[in-house]
Amino acid sequence: AQSVSQHNHHVILSEAASLELGCNYSYGGTVNLFWYVQYPGQHLQLLLKYFSGDPLVKGIKGFEAEFIKSKFSFNLRKPSVQWSDTAEYFCAVIISGTYKYIFGTGTRLKVLA
Amino acid sequence: DTAVSQTPKYLVTQMGNDKSIKCEQNLGHDTMYWYKQDSKKFLKIMFSYNNKELIINETVPNRFSPKSPDKAHLNLHINSLELGDSAVYFCASSPALTGAAFFGQGTRLTVV
Repeated sequence: AQSVSQHNHHVILSEAASLELGCNYSYGGTVNLFWYVQYPGQHLQLLLKYFSGDPLVKGIKGFEAEFIKSKFSFNLRKPSVQWSDTAEYFCAVIISGTYKYIFGTGTRLKVLA
Repeated sequence: DTAVSQTPKYLVTQMGNDKSIKCEQNLGHDTMYWYKQDSKKFLKIMFSYNNKELIINETVPNRFSPKSPDKAHLNLHINSLELGDSAVYFCASSPALTGAAFFGQGTRLTVV
């Protein structure tokens, strides 16, 4: 079965530290890829998405992600985190032809002021 | 204007009761979803509708019945509520079956 793995379940960083959250999916065909953020007590919001083209995607709030097809990965990065980035981050995949969003288990990021 | 709105935001009810959660989107999207988020924050798709037609029905107990009276609405009715149904339920919509999803604020259901 197709799946999305986020290996970092909890990440704690100090402000200004760099961030990289891993996301791997298990499917060899065409995919659309997304990162969503869920701030405490709130709903999910789209950070960025990749459908095709340049594999380096820039999103909101200084986040970016890189699609590496050979590694089935779509890692999220931010060069300098802020306290306000404290949230849960979800990677998601839609596999072409299935029309089903598959979410990873999420990574809880805590940024210390 | 709220793009995807769900009501109620909180729902506390006893086991065995029947309850409904309503969802409306004003984005003009064709596709709507229901997701369940458990206490560990794991998100699982329950249903997906496209143009009022059921596209995806994951392995959800048939106590859960979605209803889409029109493209802008996707309601979720739950019969005979069980303790394990306690979770946050999110409605979402997207412009196409493979597009980015816009989520509602969630409904926190607590079954006691």
